[in-house]
Parts: sequence; C-alpha cells; structure tokens
Amino acid sequence: EDKVVQSPLSLVVHEGDTVTLNCSYEVTNFRSLLWYKQEKKAPTFLFMLTSSGIEKKSGRLSSILDKKELFSILNITATQTGDSAVYLCALTNLYNFNKFYFGSGTKLNVKP
Amino acid sequence: DGGITQSPKYLFRKEGQNVTLSCEQNLNHDAMYWYRQDPGQGLRLIYYSQIVNDFQKGDIAEGYSVSREKKESFPLTVTSAQKNPTAFYLCASSGGQGGMFGNQPQHFGDGTRLSIL
Repeated sequence: EDKVVQSPLSLVVHEGDTVTLNCSYEVTNFRSLLWYKQEKKAPTFLFMLTSSGIEKKSGRLSSILDKKELFSILNITATQTGDSAVYLCALTNLYNFNKFYFGSGTKLNVKP
Repeated sequence: DGGITQSPKYLFRKEGQNVTLSCEQNLNHDAMYWYRQDPGQGLRLIYYSQIVNDFQKGDIAEGYSVSREKKESFPLTVTSAQKNPTAFYLCASSGGQGGMFGNQPQHFGDGTRLSIL
C-alpha cells in the first residue's frame, strides 16, 4: 500500500533558524511528490517534484527529491513567524494520478 | 477570481441527522475530492471524482455519500451512519483526468468544520 511518512511531527524554532522537514514514502509506481503549507484553513501549494536531484526553490523555501532513497526534504532558511504552519507532503502514483496520498504533516512553530 | 468555495464554514449535526456540505469550483477542473482532517492525522480521502457522474471511494468512505451531477459541484453528505463526524472537511479540485494533466496539484477550499450537538 502506498504510504507517506513525515518527520518530525512537530518542531519549534526561533526566527532566523534554518529548518529541514522530511517526507519518506513507499509507492508502487511513483509519479510526483507535492509539498503544501496549511495555516488556518486551505492548504496552499508549494512545490511539485518529479525528478531526482533537481532542487526547486521559491524565496527562502527549497525542496529536493531522492527517488533512490525514497524521500524528499523541504528546507526553510531564515525562518519567520509567518512560516508557522503545518507542512503537508503528498504523492501520486502512475496507476491513479488523480489520487493524492497525504502524510500526517509537520507542525512548525517559529517563535520571535 | 477562480477558486473553490465551501459552505458552510461551521456546521452542527444532531444525532440521527444527515447533513450536506457544499463544494463549488469555477476552475474548470475535472477532478474533485473530499478529505477529512483530524488533529495530528493529516488528510484522509473520503471520496473523489475524476469526471461528471463518476466517483470512487477513498480510504474512509463509510458513513458518507457524494454526487457529481455537474462539473462545478461535488457535495458531500455526512449520514447518520457516520458515528464520529466531528472533524474539519476539505474539498479540493485538480485539472484533467490524467495524461498531460495528471501532474497538476490540487487546489483547496477553506474547509467546513463539523461538530455534533
């Protein structure tokens, strides 16, 4: 069965710190891995990764995928209090690319 | 602006009552989804639909029902058979049935918080 495991479950840091969130997975036929940020309500899309070793970057956030070791990381540098949120990882497989498998999320709390 | 609208934001259910959560999108997306979110458990898939008049059960479909009569709309009914309905419900949509559209990310509504009276 396809599975997504995120770690840590929660994390507390101070502004300016750098954090690394982990997402490991098991999937029969990998298609894509996605990262979302959820503050109070709707998750918002951050990155989609399909190829190993290619870093995606947006401002202070970056993400990379390792299809051999079956994991992805999300890095946030120079954290700000606005980065406080739950970060969700999801994946799709080739057999049913419209079905998204979500992890339980990492809750990040950035203190001033 | 294009997006997904869920209503109501808050909903209370009495024992033995069925309630329906609304989800409407104007993104022209083929696929729509319902998720349940409990504290510390991420998103669990209830039902999804890849095209009008078709839908599939997700991982926790028992006690729920859906319909997809129009592309824009995917209402979720929480029936009296769902014994623990208190949760945050999220609706999402994504473009295409697959192929070149299969890699599009999901867009989410703002959710409905359902509680038992």
